Amino acid sequence: DAKTTQPPSMDCAEGRAANLPCNHSTISGNEYVYWYRQIHSQGPQYIIHGLKNNETNEMASLIITEDRKSSTLILPHATLRDTAVYYCIVRVGTGTASKLTFGTGTRLQVTL
Amino acid sequence: DTGVSQNPRHKITKRGQNVTFRCDPISEHNRLYWYRQTLGQGPEFLTYFQNEAQLEKSRLLSDRFSAERPKGSFSTLEIQRTEQGDSAMYLCASSQGGTGASNQPQHFGDGTRLSIL
Repeated sequence: DAKTTQPPSMDCAEGRAANLPCNHSTISGNEYVYWYRQIHSQGPQYIIHGLKNNETNEMASLIITEDRKSSTLILPHATLRDTAVYYCIVRVGTGTASKLTFGTGTRLQVTL
Repeated sequence: DTGVSQNPRHKITKRGQNVTFRCDPISEHNRLYWYRQTLGQGPEFLTYFQNEAQLEKSRLLSDRFSAERPKGSFSTLEIQRTEQGDSAMYLCASSQGGTGASNQPQHFGDGTRLSIL
C-alpha cells in the first residue's frame, strides 16, 4: 500500500472549517483513500473514503486532487468533539481484504 | 447496529500469565481483523479472518499469540506467557466482504487495554 504523509498536528477554532491535508504521491490506480479518526481511549472511527471523485457524507468531505497524489479532509464546522488524531490511509480496494496500514496521523486540536 | 464489542476493556496481569480477549463483530460482517496499538503510534495489523478461516497473519504475531474464530462469528485472541512488551491496546475491527465489497470500510471496537506488571 502507498505511504501517506500528514502534518503531525493542527489547530482549528471551533465553528471554523478544519482542512486536513494528506500526501500520497505513490498511490496506484486501484488504491482508495480512507480517513479514520481516533478520540482518546477509543477505537478508530471510520469517516469517509474515495477513489477519484470528491465525496461527502454527514461527517466530512473528501477532496482528492485530479492526479490523486494528495487529498484533503474537510470538517465543515469543527466542534470540540472533533479533537482527535486523524489518519489518512491508502489501501487497495479490489480483490483483497487488505489490512489498514496506519501512520502516526494528524493530531487536530479544536479550541474555543 | 450495536457496533464491534470487545471484552474486557482493561486487563492487568503479571508477566508470564496467559490472557484471552474476545471480539464480537457487527453481526452481518464476515471479515474480522485484529490490530495492536502502542502509545503514540497508529494501530498495527496482526491478523485477519474471513468467516472462520484465518487468511493472513503479520510477522508481529509471534508463536505466543493465537487467534481463533471458530464459528465465523466472535473471535478470541490469546497471548501466552505474556511479556512486558505485550502491553498495548488490542483492537478488533470487522467489515463486510464479498464480490464488489472489498473497499468496504473496517469498523473498530474500543479495544482491550493490556497492562503487564
